[in-house]
Amino acid sequence: DAMVIQNPRYQVTQFGKPVTLSCSQTLNHNVMYWYQQKSSQAPKLLFHYYDKDFNNEADTPDNFQSRRPNTSFCFLDIRSPGLGDAAMYLCATSRGTGGFNQPQHFGDGTRLSIL
Amino acid sequence: AQTVTQSQPEMSVQEAETVTLSCTYDTSESDYYLFWYKQPPSRQMILVIRQEAYKQQNATENRFSVNFQKAAKSFSLKISDSQLGDAAMYFCARNGGGSEKLVFGKGTKLTVNP
Repeated sequence: DAMVIQNPRYQVTQFGKPVTLSCSQTLNHNVMYWYQQKSSQAPKLLFHYYDKDFNNEADTPDNFQSRRPNTSFCFLDIRSPGLGDAAMYLCATSRGTGGFNQPQHFGDGTRLSIL
Repeated sequence: AQTVTQSQPEMSVQEAETVTLSCTYDTSESDYYLFWYKQPPSRQMILVIRQEAYKQQNATENRFSVNFQKAAKSFSLKISDSQLGDAAMYFCARNGGGSEKLVFGKGTKLTVNP
């Protein structure tokens, strides 16, 4: 089945130690998103790629970066994680058609813990 | 800021009964799309139902239906014949304005009692 796959499901890192979360998709969607979701809160969009075009949200900290080497893969890099970055990170994709009516398809998420 | 408001942090329903989750939104656009997503505990978020703002007819997907009131900017979700598997966080979301980005509400936690 076509899907959005996030690895790993659980990630533990040390305070200040860089960490990378990965997302892959078999849907061939041209838009990929990264969200941060803290407990009992709505997902918060960090940034998204429309094809190779990177779109950063104004309030996303500089500590968060992203790479999209090809259509299928997208990475979230946290350069110096702080305790406040502990959260679930969700990757999503959508088929950008220009009509903006396409739903987003989500992965299972990566739960990041900071020691 | 254009927002999505879910005024019910938590709701509960008896199995086989009907429950309605509320959602209101703010937008200055005439063309946009509305979505309800379901996020079960420790599981992925999945689309439940979507509504295109220019369509007056309310969307329906099996036991799930919406009551879309465009003038009132209201988009409620009705779940009929509730099942234990319906227990989850439900998020209302909107996009539009020439953007594929979603604006989410804070969510409603639905409990289904046997």
